[in-house]
Amino acid sequence: EDQVTQSPEALRLQEGESSSLNCSYTVSGLRGLFWYRQDPGKGPEFLFTLYSAGEEKEKERLKATLTKKESFLHITAPKPEDSATYLCAVQASAGGTSYGKLTFGQGTILTVHP
Amino acid sequence: DTGVSQDPRHKITKRGQNVTFRCDPISEHNRLYWYRQTLGQGPEFLTYFQNEAQLEKSRLLSDRFSAERPKGSFSTLEIQRTEQGDSAMYLCASSLLGTGIFGPGTRLTVT
Repeated sequence: EDQVTQSPEALRLQEGESSSLNCSYTVSGLRGLFWYRQDPGKGPEFLFTLYSAGEEKEKERLKATLTKKESFLHITAPKPEDSATYLCAVQASAGGTSYGKLTFGQGTILTVHP
Repeated sequence: DTGVSQDPRHKITKRGQNVTFRCDPISEHNRLYWYRQTLGQGPEFLTYFQNEAQLEKSRLLSDRFSAERPKGSFSTLEIQRTEQGDSAMYLCASSLLGTGIFGPGTRLTVT
């Protein structure tokens, strides 16, 4: 069974204080690893997809990296508007056919104080 | 097309009542997913459609839940005889290939 564990559960940062969120996963053949941002009461907003170990992607103050067992979301010089829940999810390949469903972790709640 | 839309955004119902939610995906997307999210947890997969065919259902989906996607366009999720444990955010996502775009969700409260 595919599993995703995110840590920490909650993270409080001061504005400008860089840090990283962790996503550990086990999956029967990784098709893709996804990062989403979710604001309270809203649906998840897509950030990145990573497909193979060693891959990195950046968007503004966010950088996602991938190894064979985990992914990191690095946040450089965060601002209060970066406060949100960050969700990690994996998409598995099963017998060469992927229906594309995602298995999510529980999320990391990030709070950035001014 | 402005993205995935869901209706209603909020629903309060009494235990034992039936409820139905609607999802309108991005028009060119042939894949549609339903997820459920409870407080403090990540979304949990419920079911998947490719065009009008329902190809996968979660083992966690009880017989009280049914979903349809007539003509491969919008989808409906019905919950019969609601229970307090059904209280959650119900999310719809659509995609063409791998990346799922989520709608705003329907918040269900069962009293």
